[in-house]
Amino acid sequence: DQQVKQNSPSLSVQEGRISILNCDYTNSMFDYFLWYKKYPAEGPTFLISISSIKDKNEDGRFTVFLNKSAKHLSLHIVPSQPGDSAVYFCHQTGNQFYFGTGTSLTVIP
Amino acid sequence: GAGVSQSPSNKVTEKGKDVELRCDPISGHTALYWYRQSLGQGLEFLIYFQGNSAPDKSGLPSDRFSAERTGGSVSTLTIQRTQQEDSAVYLCASSSSLILNTEAFFGQGTRLTVV
Repeated sequence: DQQVKQNSPSLSVQEGRISILNCDYTNSMFDYFLWYKKYPAEGPTFLISISSIKDKNEDGRFTVFLNKSAKHLSLHIVPSQPGDSAVYFCHQTGNQFYFGTGTSLTVIP
Repeated sequence: GAGVSQSPSNKVTEKGKDVELRCDPISGHTALYWYRQSLGQGLEFLIYFQGNSAPDKSGLPSDRFSAERTGGSVSTLTIQRTQQEDSAVYLCASSSSLILNTEAFFGQGTRLTVV
C-alpha cells in the first residue's frame, strides 16, 4: 500500500520557469513532510520540510505548500535552474518513513 | 567522517552467493534505516533500528534478508543466496532521533549487481 504518491514520474521545465512537483498522501496521522533531492550515484539529501501547523514554508527558491484537507503537498522551485535537475522525493515521517516514488525533474537550459 | 558511510560502493556477485553491505552512521545518531532503490523505482523501506529497541523488520522482502546493528552504531545488511531481482542500490540513512520532525542523512549507497 503506497501511502505517499508522486503521480508524475518526470517533469521537464525551461530554465527560469517555475517547477511544481506534487505529492499525495493517505495517512493523516503523521503530518510532517520533507522533500529530498537525489542526484545520480548519490544518496538523497534533505531539501525543505513542512509541518501541519503551517500551510507554506519557503526557503529561497524553494517553497512547499501543504493542503491538509486534500492530503496534498507541492514543491515549487522558482526560478528553476539546470542544477535543480534531479529526482525529488516526498517523504512523510512516521514509523516507516514513507517516501514517494519520486519525480525526475529536468531543467532545460 | 562527518557523513553516513557505506561500503562497498559497488558489488557484483554471482547468483546464489551471500553478500554483506556495511553502513557507518553519523556518530551519535540513534536511528538507522535501510532502503533500496531498484532501477526506475522509488525508495523501498527495508528495516530500521532505533537505539536498543528491537528493529522493525517489516520491510524486508524475504527471509534471505537480515540486518544487524552492533553496539548501536555500525549496521550490516546481509543478503543470502542472492537473486537477480536483488540487484538495486541499497541506501543507509541515520537520524538523531526517531522523533518525527527530523531529517535523515543518507549515505552514497551500495550498488549491488547480481549476475
